[in-house]
Amino acid sequence: DSGVTQTPKHLITATGQRVTLRCSPRSGDLSVYWYQQSLDQGLQFLIQYYNGEERAKGNILERFSAQQFPDLHSELNLSSLELGDSALYFCASSVGIKGGGETQYFGPGTRLLVL
Amino acid sequence: ELKVEQNPLFLSMQEGKNYTIYCNYSTTSDRLYWYRQDPGKSLESLFVLLSNGAVKQEGRLMASLDTKARLSTLHITAAVHDLSATYFCAVGAQKLVFGQGTRLTINP
Repeated sequence: DSGVTQTPKHLITATGQRVTLRCSPRSGDLSVYWYQQSLDQGLQFLIQYYNGEERAKGNILERFSAQQFPDLHSELNLSSLELGDSALYFCASSVGIKGGGETQYFGPGTRLLVL
Repeated sequence: ELKVEQNPLFLSMQEGKNYTIYCNYSTTSDRLYWYRQDPGKSLESLFVLLSNGAVKQEGRLMASLDTKARLSTLHITAAVHDLSATYFCAVGAQKLVFGQGTRLTINP
């Protein structure tokens, strides 16, 4: 158990809908990262937040957005969902002393299925 | 753009044998990570390699880094069934770029 928690574990929804994935980092970690894992794209970095501020951005679609709250939990919002958004979404956290760059510890993931 | 390539992508081996997974990356990086993923599970951190020539060992797994060759290896010694999993290398600081993963199956 990495200490990173994610909810929900599974999510089934329809195309066009909007969902919110939630992540709580390990105690004391300031950085939160979001990744998408799919069969065709592999593991892809989406976005990083450090102490509430966006720090790095990857291949995140405009339909997706994220934020990190004062209590350091983070939410990933996915809207106008398409079939291709079906994937496993991981949150990771790190200490973030330097704003990132340390070992990232991954949560259990949220499996999203868009029908 | 940083690219990370692993080989082989699939590896089936017998218990007791030794084998190596290779991870090549395309641009200079000062840190490389190895993760393990069991089916349907999360990623577990195995090693972080921070400098040229770094070598780390944990049980039957040993990882090394050659930054000049942009190559890392994960060596498995005397494999046991419990090591069956998918192994990923990842390169970067904040935004990790992952390899495709090596699915390792160890047969009795």
